[in-house]
Amino acid sequence: AQKITQTQPGMFVQEKEAVTLDCTYDTSDPSYGLFWYKQPSSGEMIFLIYQGSYDQQNATEGRYSLNFQKARKSANLVISASQLGDSAMYFCAMRGPFSTSYGKLTFGQGTILTVHP
Amino acid sequence: NAGVTQTPKFRILKIGQSMTLQCTQDMNHNYMYWYRQDPGMGLKLIYYSVGAGITDKGEVPNGYNVSRSTTEDFPLRLELAAPSQTSVYFCASSGQGPPLHFGNGTRLTVT
Repeated sequence: AQKITQTQPGMFVQEKEAVTLDCTYDTSDPSYGLFWYKQPSSGEMIFLIYQGSYDQQNATEGRYSLNFQKARKSANLVISASQLGDSAMYFCAMRGPFSTSYGKLTFGQGTILTVHP
Repeated sequence: NAGVTQTPKFRILKIGQSMTLQCTQDMNHNYMYWYRQDPGMGLKLIYYSVGAGITDKGEVPNGYNVSRSTTEDFPLRLELAAPSQTSVYFCASSGQGPPLHFGNGTRLTVT
């Protein structure tokens, strides 16, 4: 069974500062994928970034990067130069090998990020 | 460029009523999913489908049914609505690779 843990219910950051949102996972599969989604107050789920378990480099997408530490089973999201529009709920999620998981995601409980001006 | 479309956006049901949440995608994705999100929580998988005619249960399937007669459509049926089914429902679809593409959700209240 897979498990995702987000231990920070809420985080605060000053505008233009960087922030790290924590995510740890547990799985016995050697092949898996890790995702981060953003959910603003309007409610939609916005895909941010993906990391495959065999990817050698940490994933980056603009201001978002995923700090992947395989041995520690952590997949922290780093947002650089925070903006007011980054205030939202952030979910970490994972799936097992696509051949058996069929893309099904297991989600963490989320972290609410508030960016202060 | 519609992606995943869910209807309705909001619905209020009385206990014991039934309804169908509609979901359609225009990306020709084989894989489709229904999740529910309770207040302040993460998403939990209700049902999923790997192609037309093939569906399977997720983590929280009780009280729900699905069908997949076409690649595009994946409706979720609630029979005998209960207050515990008050939630936000998300439909999603996926091709062979990441990510999952989500619809904008249906907010359901059962009173």
